[in-house]
Amino acid sequence: QQQVKQSPQSLIVQKGGISIINCAYENTAFDYFPWYQQFPGKGPALLIAIRPDVSEKKEGRFTISFNKSAKQFSLHIMDSQPGDSATYFCAASMPGRLYFGRGTQLTVWP
Amino acid sequence: NAGVTQTPKFQVLKTGQSMTLQCAQDMNHNSMYWYRQDPGMGLRLIYYSASEGTTDKGEVPNGYNVSRLNKREFSLRLESAAPSQTSVYFCASSEEWGNYGYTFGSGTRLTVV
Repeated sequence: QQQVKQSPQSLIVQKGGISIINCAYENTAFDYFPWYQQFPGKGPALLIAIRPDVSEKKEGRFTISFNKSAKQFSLHIMDSQPGDSATYFCAASMPGRLYFGRGTQLTVWP
Repeated sequence: NAGVTQTPKFQVLKTGQSMTLQCAQDMNHNSMYWYRQDPGMGLRLIYYSASEGTTDKGEVPNGYNVSRLNKREFSLRLESAAPSQTSVYFCASSEEWGNYGYTFGSGTRLTVV
């Protein structure tokens, strides 16, 4: 059973546009929601994370929006750049267990 | 500061062969993890070690064993490799056993023929 459902599977955005990736979960025991960025041939790297007592967290061009009642959260990338082209994974965590979505391959066209 | 180092980076095995994937971290983290990544499947937890001296099964432990050699090192062993174990393997570590960001290594790409 997929603990975290992520969409879309792939996303193509023009330079300067907004990229939006959505995730949903069912288990209310999750209490930490990180996003990871992965470039080809590299391991995932922590990008930004949020805890469920906060509805939004912003770091530079990256924003997480969190809807606890709907059990959904999303990543917004403002002013998307070609260098943002990568695979993005949402995840949900309970103590010691980190469950990943299946990933979104983002391509930003110049 | 190297972070999490995995060796080897690439490996080809024949069905039935055994091998050990090595992982070491230099961040003084207490917890370490092994994940496998398959196309369209995200990352799935194989085994983890909450602290030195402890190990436990994750989502997909069958066909694997682990050893937490010391605080720095956590190895993954395939006793009898199968084609279904063809994957990219990532080691990760976190400061504590809990809800913290994980630091991942750069992966081992394993092909079993």
